[in-house]
Amino acid sequence: QQQVKQSPQSLIVQKGGISIINCAYENTAFDYFPWYQQFPGKGPALLIAIRPDVSEKKEGRFTISFNKSAKQFSLHIMDSQPGDSATYFCAARGRQAAGNKLTFGGGTRVLVKP
Amino acid sequence: DTGVSQDPRHKITKRGQNVTFRCDPISEHNRLYWYRQTLGQGPEFLTYFQNEAQLEKSRLLSDRFSAERPKGSFSTLEIQRTEQGDSAMYLCASSSVRVGQSGYTFGSGTRLTVV
Repeated sequence: QQQVKQSPQSLIVQKGGISIINCAYENTAFDYFPWYQQFPGKGPALLIAIRPDVSEKKEGRFTISFNKSAKQFSLHIMDSQPGDSATYFCAARGRQAAGNKLTFGGGTRVLVKP
Repeated sequence: DTGVSQDPRHKITKRGQNVTFRCDPISEHNRLYWYRQTLGQGPEFLTYFQNEAQLEKSRLLSDRFSAERPKGSFSTLEIQRTEQGDSAMYLCASSSVRVGQSGYTFGSGTRLTVV
């Protein structure tokens, strides 16, 4: 059962453009929503995360928008750079009692063209 | 201690053989996780430890899989009688239960190929 659905599977954006990745979840017990960036041959690295009590979080060029009622959240990469070319995963975590286990989306491969 | 270390980075084995992977977490992290990632997919949870106790196992973890974390430090993941379907990247991650430290740190993974 896929509890976190991610789209699109891939996207191509020109340098300087905006990359937008969307995720939807089903489990209302999720309380923490991180985004991970993964380069080939490497493990995922935490990029930015949000909790459901805020609607937006910005760190540098990366912004998470969160819509609790719609159970959706998205990652916006502003001024996309070739170095941002990677696979991005959204994830969700249940409450602390669930052991901090993460449920990941299927990933979005982003290619930034120079 | 700069991160989570996994060994080996790559493993090619014949079907039916046993393999063992090792993970060394960040030293102050008391939680350790194993995930499996197949090509083009997101990581899937396998199991996690808090200190030396294995607190949860996914249904993905068949009887051929066993994980240990003796003394609450490094962890090993063993797969017995490997099958071609076991081919994947096995990721280890660690975290701390201290308030405010919700993020994982992943290792670079062990890529297993069963031929």
